[in-house]
Amino acid sequence: DADVTQTPRNRITKTGKRIMLECSQTKGHDRMYWYRQDPGLGLRLIYYSFDVKDINKGEISDGYSVSRQAQAKFSLSLESAIPNQTALYFCATSDFGTNTDTQYFGPGTRLTVL
Amino acid sequence: KQEVTQIPAALSVPEGENLVLNCSFTDSAIYNLQWFRQDPGKGLTSLLLIQSSQREQTSGRLNASLDKSSGRSTLYIAASQPGDSATYLCAVRPYAGGTSYGKLTFGQGTILTVHP
Repeated sequence: DADVTQTPRNRITKTGKRIMLECSQTKGHDRMYWYRQDPGLGLRLIYYSFDVKDINKGEISDGYSVSRQAQAKFSLSLESAIPNQTALYFCATSDFGTNTDTQYFGPGTRLTVL
Repeated sequence: KQEVTQIPAALSVPEGENLVLNCSFTDSAIYNLQWFRQDPGKGLTSLLLIQSSQREQTSGRLNASLDKSSGRSTLYIAASQPGDSATYLCAVRPYAGGTSYGKLTFGQGTILTVHP
């Protein structure tokens, strides 16, 4: 089984709809992240959480919200989806207890907003 | 604000060639630099991580170097194979306390194609 899972893997929705992307991890890591990837722009950080009670905005948090329901679960919500939120979304985890804090990524969710 | 640039954006080489991918960053105050591989439709796989105090890391046919003072890193792939075809991304982690710790800044990636 994959250590970091994302659901759904693909989603097509319409402008104005509320969408939730979910991330679960079995690595026991305390830190979790949400990124989006757009062609030619690399990955950009949306939100990150260092533990269940610590959630921080990344560089492009407008239009998004998150919920850390448990150490193993971190959800990303689009309250009212718009077409420029069409992108590939990645969840990642890392372990602060290591000296490298290496991030491990999920397989991604491809979201299309029509 | 940290900016990470990767050159070239795309590279196509015949099998067996040695090749170099480049990554540059604007702020030398980094904690570490990481190289990732991304296959189409899949997530990112960490290849090599270089701490700011290190000059290079090696894993099999891959060698990554870091020159923090000049803001540069290179990923060297020896004897390239078709299975190396993927997008390669570099990412830097800032060296700072507080909430900036742990945040990665990514380059745009280099799309590598190795043809038989």
